[in-house]
Amino acid sequence: EAGVAQSPRYKIIEKRQSVAFWCNPISGHATLYWYQQILGQGPKLLIQFQNNGVVDDSQLPKDRFSAERLKGVDSTLKIQPAKLEDSAVYLCASSDRGGVGTGELFFGEGSRLTVL
Amino acid sequence: QKEVEQDPGPLSVPEGAIVSLNCTYSNSAFQYFMWYRQYSRKGPELLMYTYSSGNKEDGRFTAQVDKSSKYISLFIRDSQPSDSTTYLCAMSDDKIIFGKGTRLHILP
Repeated sequence: EAGVAQSPRYKIIEKRQSVAFWCNPISGHATLYWYQQILGQGPKLLIQFQNNGVVDDSQLPKDRFSAERLKGVDSTLKIQPAKLEDSAVYLCASSDRGGVGTGELFFGEGSRLTVL
Repeated sequence: QKEVEQDPGPLSVPEGAIVSLNCTYSNSAFQYFMWYRQYSRKGPELLMYTYSSGNKEDGRFTAQVDKSSKYISLFIRDSQPSDSTTYLCAMSDDKIIFGKGTRLHILP
């Protein structure tokens, strides 16, 4: 079974530029998550999709971050304009169950962003 | 107080020792408790998953939850150098909250 695919793996941009990350979840997984992991910290949830609807985006900085999941499969996370503090690994995860007690999230390898 | 507290380490122990990793939390609504393992430049992967209080054992790994103390533990018996990596605790009510992770080094 193919895992969660993410691209690009690495991206270096100047502050105020824009960047987009792409995620393809495990086939059949209805729930998709984007997490931000800053060096030395645990993953922080940015947004959760159930099929193509948003379940939780309470921690997404909506003035600069946006995400969409068209047709309930692939997802894109965009940052515009980027700030220095956005330097982090952006992890995509999927699950075949949403909500309480999902427990097992399947993570991709992440997209590492450096903002200069 | 943060919702989930985890000592980042690093924690260094000799091969074969019993390892104890711990987290505390403040939200009494948490019902599901998890331990993830994260290797360098990889995403986290689920190691153990426990509902409510009690113990769960899987091979060399034991997860323990004490809801009265808001304290969870992961024990690794007969630790191996291959166990060296970062361990993240996580817990959920309606969303999953991760700890910072503890870096573990098993010394040959």
